[in-house]
Amino acid sequence: EDKVVQSPLSLVVHEGDTVTLNCSYEVTNFRSLLWYKQEKKAPTFLFMLTSSGIEKKSGRLSSILDKKELFSILNITATQTGDSAVYLCALNTDKLIFGTGTRLQVFP
Amino acid sequence: DSGVTQTPKHLITATGQRVTLRCSPRSGDLSVYWYQQSLDQGLQFLIQYYNGEERAKGNILERFSAQQFPDLHSELNLSSLELGDSALYFCASSVDGLEQETQYFGPGTRLLVL
Repeated sequence: EDKVVQSPLSLVVHEGDTVTLNCSYEVTNFRSLLWYKQEKKAPTFLFMLTSSGIEKKSGRLSSILDKKELFSILNITATQTGDSAVYLCALNTDKLIFGTGTRLQVFP
Repeated sequence: DSGVTQTPKHLITATGQRVTLRCSPRSGDLSVYWYQQSLDQGLQFLIQYYNGEERAKGNILERFSAQQFPDLHSELNLSSLELGDSALYFCASSVDGLEQETQYFGPGTRLLVL
């Protein structure tokens, strides 16, 4: 059965810290791995990763996929209170298979 | 603003009732997806439509049904509601629901069953 596991479940840090969120998967075939940020309402798209070893970057956020070891990480540097959210990882097969998310809380 | 609209924003109803949630995809998108997000289950895929036809089915209960109309909007019907159906229901759309496509999410409909 296809499975996506995110860790940690919850993370509390101070502003300025760097965090690494993990997404490991047991999915036989997928087209891409997606990261979303969910605040109070709908998830917003962050990254789509299709190739192993190529880092995608957007400001303080970056992400990379390792298809050999079956995981992806999302890094956030110099965290800000506005980064507080649930971060979701999803595998794109015929449908999206989501992990349960990592809740990040950033305190001033 | 993703361009996907959902109505209503909030819905409170009693057990045993039936509700309809409505979704309008982004302009030009042919594929619509429905998801349920509850506290203990995370985000669960329910069903996907493409250009009016059902394309993929996930963990959708028999009490739930959906359809996509010729104008591409979609409705999710939930019947014989139970307390456990209380959740946030998201609709997402993509251009044609095929490979390597980003899905754009609507703001969700929060359903509370009392």
